[in-house]
Amino acid sequence: GENVEQHPSTLSVQEGDSAVIKCTYSDSASNYFPWYKQELGKGPQLIIDIRSNVGEKKDQRIAVTLNKTAKHFSLHITETQPEDSAVYFCAARDSSYKLIFGSGTRLLVRP
Amino acid sequence: SQTIHQWPATLVQPVGSPLSLECTVEGTSNPNLYWYRQAAGRGLQLLFYSVGIGQISSEVPQNLSASRPQDRQFILSSKKLLLSDSGFYLCACEKGFSEQFFGPGTRLTVL
Repeated sequence: GENVEQHPSTLSVQEGDSAVIKCTYSDSASNYFPWYKQELGKGPQLIIDIRSNVGEKKDQRIAVTLNKTAKHFSLHITETQPEDSAVYFCAARDSSYKLIFGSGTRLLVRP
Repeated sequence: SQTIHQWPATLVQPVGSPLSLECTVEGTSNPNLYWYRQAAGRGLQLLFYSVGIGQISSEVPQNLSASRPQDRQFILSSKKLLLSDSGFYLCACEKGFSEQFFGPGTRLTVL
């Protein structure tokens, strides 16, 4: 079945810098890759997603890139702000249509 | 857009007691519904999913069961709780196999 690995597990950046979180997946049939942001004590919030027919997608300060050949995708946050501090999860939809999640990245943006 | 309600928000139960967590969805019909568990500081473990009334698929053999008595109602149950059942329980909803959205979660502590 699908396996998703996420790195790094923790990331600390200075406010205004960029943050990059990377994920790899194993099932070449996976075709949908969402990213979620989870604040303490809350449910994960979908922040951006990408489908396998697209290489990059941007939404304001957030962008996601997908390399199907290498089977990896990344989340890029530019001009980070303290409110970006949270745990971020990547996921891949496998051939049985379930979402398989990465283990999460705790992002800390230092003011 | 859909709204996902989870009840209760927090719960403290003794070992061996029964459990019933409820998830209800507004703003959509015939959704796919999911139960996930998240241990402290960990990722998301899929427990059950349902593509329709009375249709439940179990991902992990365990002390829990799920039911879907109505189109937009998903219930997670246990007859006798174990210490290892403690965690953050999340209900999620999607229309077809598109974007998946999460509810606010239920924090369960088993003592």
